[in-house]
Amino acid sequence: NFMLTQPHSVSESPGKTVTISCTRSSGSIAGNYVQWYQQRPGSAPTTVIYEDKKRPSGVPNRFSGSIDRSSNSASLTISGLKTEDEADYYCQSYDSNVHRVFGGGTKLTVL
Amino acid sequence: EVQLVESGGGLVQPGRSLRLSCVASGFTFDDYAMHWVRQAPGEGLEWVSGISWNSVDIAYADSVKGRFTISRDAAKNSLYLQMNSLRPEDTALYYCAKSARLYYYGMDVWGQGTTVTVSS
Repeated sequence: NFMLTQPHSVSESPGKTVTISCTRSSGSIAGNYVQWYQQRPGSAPTTVIYEDKKRPSGVPNRFSGSIDRSSNSASLTISGLKTEDEADYYCQSYDSNVHRVFGGGTKLTVL
Repeated sequence: EVQLVESGGGLVQPGRSLRLSCVASGFTFDDYAMHWVRQAPGEGLEWVSGISWNSVDIAYADSVKGRFTISRDAAKNSLYLQMNSLRPEDTALYYCAKSARLYYYGMDVWGQGTTVTVSS
C-alpha cells in the first residue's frame, strides 16, 4: 500500500494560477492513474481530472493535470482562478482492481 | 437520471452493528464496480471498501478490515456495507460511489451520503 500526500491548504488571488501537489509515498506515480476531485461544502465530490490529465466534459480548460516522475507527484493546476473554484481538492489513485487511495485533501482559498 | 441513494445510517453505541444500503438507478448496476467512501466531520475523504461488478474482487481499508463487509445484490440494484464492532472513529458521512464509465479507477457518480454516529 502507498499513501498520497497533499498540502493542507493553498491560497491565491482571483485571476492567478495555483498548483496543488499530490506525492506518492512508494511505487511510481506513473504506474497508476491519478484522479482529482473537487468538493464544495455540503456536496459530494465531483471529478475535475481523470487519468492524470484528462478533463470530464463540462470541466473548464482552466483545470489541468500532470505527473512528474522526478518528484513522484501528480499536480492539479487551476489557472484564471475564480471565487467559485474555492473548494477542497482530493487526489485519488489505486493499487489493485478495487482498492482505492485518496490524498488527505487540500483546501483552496481564493482571496 | 443516474442516481445513488444511501440509507441505514444512524446513532449506534460502540461495539454494535449497522448495515448501510445504497440503491442504484439510471445505469446498468451489474456493469460497474462500486465503492464506499467515508468522510469524518471536518476531515477528508477516506476510501472504505470496493467490490467488483461480479463480487469476485473485494478490498477494504486497513482501518475497517475484519469488521466491515461489502456486498451487492444485482436483483435489487443494491450495494451494502455491514459494519460490525463499530468504534467512535467510524463516525462519518458514508458515500456510495460508482466506478466511472470512462475511467474505471475513479468514481463518477456519488450518492448524497448517510451519516453514521458511533457514541455511547
